[in-house]
Amino acid sequence: GQQVMQIPQYQHVQEGEDFTTYCNSSTTLSNIQWYKQRPGGHPVFLIQLVKSGEVKKQKRLTFQFGEAKKNSSLHITATQTTDVGTYFCAPGKTQGGSEKLVFGKGMKLTVNP
Amino acid sequence: DAGVTQSPTHLIKTRGQHVTLRCSPISGHKSVSWYQQVLGQGPQFIFQYYEKEERGRGNFPDRFSARQFPNYSSELNVNALLLGDSALYLCASSPWDGTYEQYFGPGTRLTVT
Repeated sequence: GQQVMQIPQYQHVQEGEDFTTYCNSSTTLSNIQWYKQRPGGHPVFLIQLVKSGEVKKQKRLTFQFGEAKKNSSLHITATQTTDVGTYFCAPGKTQGGSEKLVFGKGMKLTVNP
Repeated sequence: DAGVTQSPTHLIKTRGQHVTLRCSPISGHKSVSWYQQVLGQGPQFIFQYYEKEERGRGNFPDRFSARQFPNYSSELNVNALLLGDSALYLCASSPWDGTYEQYFGPGTRLTVT
């Protein structure tokens, strides 16, 4: 089945640092979404990427979809303690008339103030 | 607007029992999906319903069933509970407009003892 690998699985950064997390697929993706889940919370939709090479920004977060649509990245600038949580990339998949998200294990971010 | 709501918030059941979880989607959303999230993992797709019809089913046993009502709310039923069914059960609603973004509820934490 369609799976994505997120690297790294864990990331600990100092507040103010920049970092990037990656999402890789062995197959071409029609779209990919990013979600953030705070500790004890539920996944919250961040962004959807559809076009090859697409780049979208949300304040300090920059999302990119690879040219081959097999990978995606999330770059956070000047990390803050509010960025703590697990970030999931999830390709959307249409199968038999359904739309479902295929989540990986996510990337858990901790921030040292 | 109210987000996705789920009830109950927490639930403790004994092995072999049955459980019903409930979800109300965002107003105007006609699609409801159910996900199971085990601690430390990403959400796993269980079902999707649209216009009261099952549109997709994940790799879960027949002990899991669901339905959607005319007002688009949904129930997830799990029979003959096993210890391994302990998880956070997430409901997500979607506008079903060709995008895949889903809006998750706070979840129901099910503990099976």
